[in-house]
Amino acid sequence: GENVEQHPSTLSVQEGDSAVIKCTYSDSASNYFPWYKQELGKRPQLIIDIRSNVGEKKDQRIAVTLNKTAKHFSLHITETQPEDSAVYFCAAGVGGSYIPTFGRGTSLIVHP
Amino acid sequence: EPEVTQTPSHQVTQMGQEVILHCVPISNHLYFYWYRQILGQKVEFLVSFYNNEISEKSEIFDDQFSVERPDGSNFTLKIRSTKLEDSAMYFCASRGTGGFYEQYFGPGTRLTVT
Repeated sequence: GENVEQHPSTLSVQEGDSAVIKCTYSDSASNYFPWYKQELGKRPQLIIDIRSNVGEKKDQRIAVTLNKTAKHFSLHITETQPEDSAVYFCAAGVGGSYIPTFGRGTSLIVHP
Repeated sequence: EPEVTQTPSHQVTQMGQEVILHCVPISNHLYFYWYRQILGQKVEFLVSFYNNEISEKSEIFDDQFSVERPDGSNFTLKIRSTKLEDSAMYFCASRGTGGFYEQYFGPGTRLTVT
C-alpha cells in the first residue's frame, strides 16, 4: 500500500518568514495530493490540493509543488502569520474511490 | 455552506460496551468515510462506503467495527466491545462525485474508553 513520509515534524518560524513542509510517497499510481490544516481540537480542513497532471499550484500565500519522478510534493507558505500556526497533514491517494494515506503531520508554530 | 455534522461531540464509555457514532454527510454526496485519529498522531483511514456497501476498509476495521446508513441522511459507525485503545477522535467525511476528490470532514467525536 501507499506510504507517506512527512518532514519536519515540527517547524518554528518568525512571523513573515516562509515555511516549507515536504512529503514523499511510495505508490506511483497516486495522483491526488491534498494538504490539510488542523487547528487544535478541530477538524482537518483542506487548504490546497494538486493532481498529478500539474507540477505546481498556488493560492495566495500557499503553494504546492509536485515532482512525480521523485515522488515528492511540498507545501510552501509565504509571509507566515500567527494564525497559520496549526498541524499540517499531507496525503496521497488514487482518484476514483480515493482512499488517502496521511503523513504524520507537521506542527507549524509562527512566532509573532 | 453545507457541512458534515457528527454527534455526540464527546462520548465516554466503559471498556466492553458498545458505542454508536453518528454522522450526517453533506446531502448530495455519495461517498462516505470514517477515520480515526489517536491523540497527537496522524489521521488513519477506517472504511469507505458507497452505494450502500463498504467499498474499502483498512486493517484497523476488523469485526469489532461496522457501518450503516440506516436512512437517507445518517451514516453510523458502531464499535462493539470497546477497548482502551479505541480511545481516539473519530472523523466522518463525505465526498461528491464527478471527479471531485475533496473530502469534507465533520467536527469529530472524541471517544474515551475507561
